[in-house]
Amino acid sequence: QKEVEQDPGPLSVPEGAIVSLNCTYSNSAFQYFMWYRQYSRKGPELLMYTYSSGNKEDGRFTAQVDKSSKYISLFIRDSQPSDSATYLCAMSSSGGSYIPTFGRGTSLIVHP
Amino acid sequence: EAGVTQFPSHSVIEKGQTVTLRCDPISGHDNLYWYRRVMGKEIKFLLHFVKESKQDESGMPNNRFLAERTGGTYSTLKVQPAELEDSGVYFCASSQDLSPGHYGYTFGSGTRLTVV
Repeated sequence: QKEVEQDPGPLSVPEGAIVSLNCTYSNSAFQYFMWYRQYSRKGPELLMYTYSSGNKEDGRFTAQVDKSSKYISLFIRDSQPSDSATYLCAMSSSGGSYIPTFGRGTSLIVHP
Repeated sequence: EAGVTQFPSHSVIEKGQTVTLRCDPISGHDNLYWYRRVMGKEIKFLLHFVKESKQDESGMPNNRFLAERTGGTYSTLKVQPAELEDSGVYFCASSQDLSPGHYGYTFGSGTRLTVV
């Protein structure tokens, strides 16, 4: 079993839709949860960061962490064609110098 | 602020040849990481430098891979001799501190390595 599971998609939605991206994990030691966005031919860039459980909102983006279920989500409201990218979840623990473990990434396509 | 710079952006080499990838981190970032993504798989950790010292090299696949960080500035990753399974995108990232949150890691655009 992989430590982090993420459906690679692709996920295709119309502009304006609410997008839900998810990851599950098996390592209960994970405390730091991140979402990275990666455009084609670019490196990942940090989008959202959450420590432990709870929700965090930043503009159109909301990150949720449910540690009891080992499940994290990223919601994108009013999705735009510019949101088309690969979204990678990543998580880490304080042990091992916080080195994050990444999911495979979900390819999102928002069509006009 | 200049970002993390990697070069070359692409490299195509024959099996058995040597390739050296270079990464210039953000100035002042003591932490430098190398990651690799093989097609269809996750981004996998290779190793972590703190300044010029290797903090963690548990992800290095075998002794054909050699990473160095001269004077705690830029880093190189040499693959010698290259094998077909070494093909993938090699990412470098740097950070000011160990915590993955807040500012996170800043990634370069990667070097796409193809071994034929």
